Amino acid sequence: QKEVEQNSGPLSVPEGAIASLNCTYSDRGSQSFFWYRQYSGKSPELIMFIYSNGDKEDGRFTAQLNKASQYVSLLIRDSQPSDSATYLCAVNRGRDDKIIFGKGTRLHILP
Amino acid sequence: DVKVTQSSRYLVKRTGEKVFLECVQDMDHENMFWYRQDPGLGLRLIYFSYDVKMKEKGDIPEGYSVSREKKERFSLILESASTNQTSMYLCASSSGQGSYGYTFGSGTRLTVV
Repeated sequence: QKEVEQNSGPLSVPEGAIASLNCTYSDRGSQSFFWYRQYSGKSPELIMFIYSNGDKEDGRFTAQLNKASQYVSLLIRDSQPSDSATYLCAVNRGRDDKIIFGKGTRLHILP
Repeated sequence: DVKVTQSSRYLVKRTGEKVFLECVQDMDHENMFWYRQDPGLGLRLIYFSYDVKMKEKGDIPEGYSVSREKKERFSLILESASTNQTSMYLCASSSGQGSYGYTFGSGTRLTVV
């Protein structure tokens, strides 16, 4: 089983709708969870992190964590064409500072 | 604004050359990492360092070495470049404990011909 799994996409969402990106992880002891956005040809940029079960909101972004189900999600409200990118889910297992990255989900916002 | 700076954005080298990729961070971070990113394979950890003069192998260290003589600088060395090392190389740093995520440099796209 892969440590961090994401659907590779592409996920196509109409402009103005909610984009929902999902991620599962295998290590039940994982403690920190991150979402990175990566535009084509650019480096990853941290957009959200979450440590506790529940929701965390920042502007149009909401990260959701369910440790019992080992599931992390990212919701993007009022999707804009500028949100078109690859979104990487990442997990820290808590044993050291190494973060495990998923392979990413390509998101395409349709104008 | 805090930064991780990679010395080159694009680099073209010949097979067999020794290649140096430099990374400097100005955030006083203890931890630094080198990744390569290839389509369909995601980010793969090459080497990392938790302290000056300290280094640990990541998942794909073969063909690479690193140097960390100063806290702010972490260099990746390709001892004898090969075409299968053509990739995007990303440097990252973090303050430790894994709680705050990594800050990435802008990346170096290396082509070995």
